Amino acid sequence: GAGVSQSPRYKVAKRGQDVALRCDPISGHVSLFWYQQALGQGPEFLTYFQNEAQLDKSGLPSDRFFAERPEGSVSTLKIQRTQQEDSAVYLCASSLGLGGVDTIYFGEGSWLTVV
Amino acid sequence: QKEVEQNSGPLSVPEGAIASLNCTYSDRGSQSFFWYRQYSGKSPELIMSIYSNGDKEDGRFTAQLNKASQYVSLLIRDSQPSDSATYLCAGDPYFGNEKLTFGTGTRLTIIP
Repeated sequence: GAGVSQSPRYKVAKRGQDVALRCDPISGHVSLFWYQQALGQGPEFLTYFQNEAQLDKSGLPSDRFFAERPEGSVSTLKIQRTQQEDSAVYLCASSLGLGGVDTIYFGEGSWLTVV
Repeated sequence: QKEVEQNSGPLSVPEGAIASLNCTYSDRGSQSFFWYRQYSGKSPELIMSIYSNGDKEDGRFTAQLNKASQYVSLLIRDSQPSDSATYLCAGDPYFGNEKLTFGTGTRLTIIP
């Protein structure tokens, strides 16, 4: 596709429900990132993949958060037993990953509201 | 203390004037810095990147980096109403864009 595609764009989940957020990076992009952006805040790093390898997951806030990219393309961020504090925009981003400085392209985000 | 600090604003600037956005960072190990523009409800979009001390110009935008004083700034010349957005400053301990630390953003409004 032309850009990073995320789905669903909007999700309302009841507290305790599991959710799965999907990211389709730009074709050919090796690096994929997940960020969480709370209202009025800047994005906070969650995790980073290079192809299918998850190289950094230090930003995942708890063991309820899990991300995967099994074939090195599409990625899924899963949140188990959602809590109200999980309400945020989840941004996926990708870059060529050639080393040196790449431009990171962000998707439009998945807006999660936990009620 | 956040690793990257920005004045949240709002910052109001008359059309045609220079908008000055500032950012400080605490991690002396940060190697590269980025300015992103984010319109309300939209994704962040890269405006400028800077890695070396000094100024870097791109059209109406100039990024300035001072590693000794640990600050980064963005100047927008001839401000246009379309520049109204939130501007996010981000730092990275590497040159590879692998783990950006963002500030909270400065909301800029250009007054026609």
